[in-house]
Amino acid sequence: QKEVEQDPGPLSVPEGAIVSLNCTYSNSAFQYFMWYRQYSRKGPELLMYTYSSGNKEDGRFTAQVDKSSKYISLFIRDSQPSDSATYLCAMTKTSGSRLTFGEGTQLTVNP
Amino acid sequence: KAGVTQTPRYLIKTRGQQVTLSCSPISGHRSVSWYQQTPGQGLQFLFEYFSETQRNKGNFPGRFSGRQFSNSRSEMNVSTLELGDSALYLCASSVPGFQETQYFGPGTRLLVL
Repeated sequence: QKEVEQDPGPLSVPEGAIVSLNCTYSNSAFQYFMWYRQYSRKGPELLMYTYSSGNKEDGRFTAQVDKSSKYISLFIRDSQPSDSATYLCAMTKTSGSRLTFGEGTQLTVNP
Repeated sequence: KAGVTQTPRYLIKTRGQQVTLSCSPISGHRSVSWYQQTPGQGLQFLFEYFSETQRNKGNFPGRFSGRQFSNSRSEMNVSTLELGDSALYLCASSVPGFQETQYFGPGTRLLVL
């Protein structure tokens, strides 16, 4: 069983919709949680990171971490066609250790 | 500030050959990590280098190796290529101790025929 599970989708939504992307994990040692966005044929781009449980907001993006449930989420408000990409969750046990990634969710926002 | 650069961007090799990929980190970033991305396995950690020393290694065979130079640039080498080595190889740089803020390059897409 994978340490990090992420529904690969694909997920298709109309422009302006609220998008919810999620990951679950099994290792309670994970402390840092990241979300990356990857456009086709490009490298992953760091969107947000959070430490331990809680929420973090940056513009249209909100990241949530619930360590008690081993569940993390990324919400995208007012989604745009330019948000169409693959979204990858990643996590690490301590600052300085390797990242473990989810499989990625392919998102398409339709105009 | 310039981002992470990787060369070459695309590569075609045949089984049994070897390949060397190069990565130049963001200026001031001394930690470099390598990942392999494939459709079936996703992003998998290969190894991490800091101060010319390998600090972490993933579960890949010994055919995969790397090194880091004094200017923090890094190379990875794959010997005796197999068809299954076809993948996007990504390099990421970070400030040591801040792996939660790794910045990725565009990757090198390797095709093994």
